[in-house]
Amino acid sequence: SAVISQKPSRDICQRGTSLTIQCQVDSQVTMMFWYRQQPGQSLTLIATANQGSEATYESGFVIDKFPISRPNLTFSTLTVSNMSPEDSSIYLCSASPDEAFFGQGTRLTVV
Amino acid sequence: KQEVTQIPAALSVPEGENLVLNCSFTDSAIYNLQWFRQDPGKGLTSLLLIQSSQREQTSGRLNASLDKSSGRSTLYIAASQPGDSATYLCAVISNTGKLIFGQGTTLQVKP
Repeated sequence: SAVISQKPSRDICQRGTSLTIQCQVDSQVTMMFWYRQQPGQSLTLIATANQGSEATYESGFVIDKFPISRPNLTFSTLTVSNMSPEDSSIYLCSASPDEAFFGQGTRLTVV
Repeated sequence: KQEVTQIPAALSVPEGENLVLNCSFTDSAIYNLQWFRQDPGKGLTSLLLIQSSQREQTSGRLNASLDKSSGRSTLYIAASQPGDSATYLCAVISNTGKLIFGQGTTLQVKP
């Protein structure tokens, strides 16, 4: 199994600002993903974080809004840019060799 | 397009009851299926992973089954306890590692 550390665990941000979320895995993994969980909803995939290349975004998510970095096989960041109240959600990082493991999430509130 | 449905959306039972949570998916070409638990405001905890070639997996009081041909999975919880109260999420996993989640079943076990 993989242990995933995510930070910050929560933040309250002003609209128009950006927040970068970090995800650290305790072992090298091939696949890393970022998900969003809006209030009262299930999880939706934002993008696949590709090591050494640009992330692959799902429909409805764009790089300008959610830039992602993955410099190596154990670390990734997600930035939520130019935030609005609609971006208030839990953002979760996942690693998936076979079984998927998740970090504890980042609870973001935009005011 | 893969769609995952969980029934019921919410369930309240007295302590000690055995219960079944249902998950259905529209495309049987899945790689794996995984059940998660999510406590309020927290990340996801992996409960059971069923690979596509398997029919069921067991862990303690939990048993998950998979019938790919009918597009169904069930999570059986034996002798439920108040500590089992949480939201249970079913996710199908593609061969690219992406997870598609159901909307979850929120379980309350009353003492």
